[in-house]
Amino acid sequence: DGGITQSPKYLFRKEGQNVTLSCEQNLNHDAMYWYRQDPGQGLRLIYYSQIVNDFQKGDIAEGYSVSREKKESFPLTVTSAQKNPTAFYLCASTTSTGGEGYGYTFGSGTRLTVV
Amino acid sequence: SQQGEEDPQALSIQEGENATMNCSYKTSINNLQWYRQNSGRGLVHLILIRSNEREKHSGRLRVTLDTSKKSSSLLITASRAADTASYFCATRPNTGRRALTFGSGTRLQVQP
Repeated sequence: DGGITQSPKYLFRKEGQNVTLSCEQNLNHDAMYWYRQDPGQGLRLIYYSQIVNDFQKGDIAEGYSVSREKKESFPLTVTSAQKNPTAFYLCASTTSTGGEGYGYTFGSGTRLTVV
Repeated sequence: SQQGEEDPQALSIQEGENATMNCSYKTSINNLQWYRQNSGRGLVHLILIRSNEREKHSGRLRVTLDTSKKSSSLLITASRAADTASYFCATRPNTGRRALTFGSGTRLQVQP
């Protein structure tokens, strides 16, 4: 079955450590997105990519980095520069690079906790 | 920035009643979408309405869009306990960034 797979489901990060969250899709979608969700809040856009080898910053890109070397994969690295990384991270994709007329498919999320 | 803002923040109703959630936004949009999120899970796309549409139906869902007031509403008819979730509106702007901006959500509790 097609879908988006995020891994791991739970991740613990020590102070000063970089961690990478995985996002893989087999839907042949062009565009992929990373959002952050804090408890009881909506989603905030971190980064998005409309095509391989290209990506744009969202509203809260500081302390995060991404790559898009393959159409299927859009990993997110949370760097030590992100001072408050504890949150629920959601990856999404859509079939249209413009996002016009199509909904997003979301992964099941990664819960990151700083220990 | 949170373009869409939902109202109310929380809603508690009895099974069988209708639930109405509202969303307001600030800029010109290409489309508006509604999503559902069960606790601790990813979001699920419910319905999309384009800027040139005024009303759309999907099963027990009815969405309206008023671009002059920059607002939308989601109506869930004959609610069920399984409808308990958070509901988010998301807007795709007409120009600029090609990504959805999400509101803060409405938490719906349907009592059996």
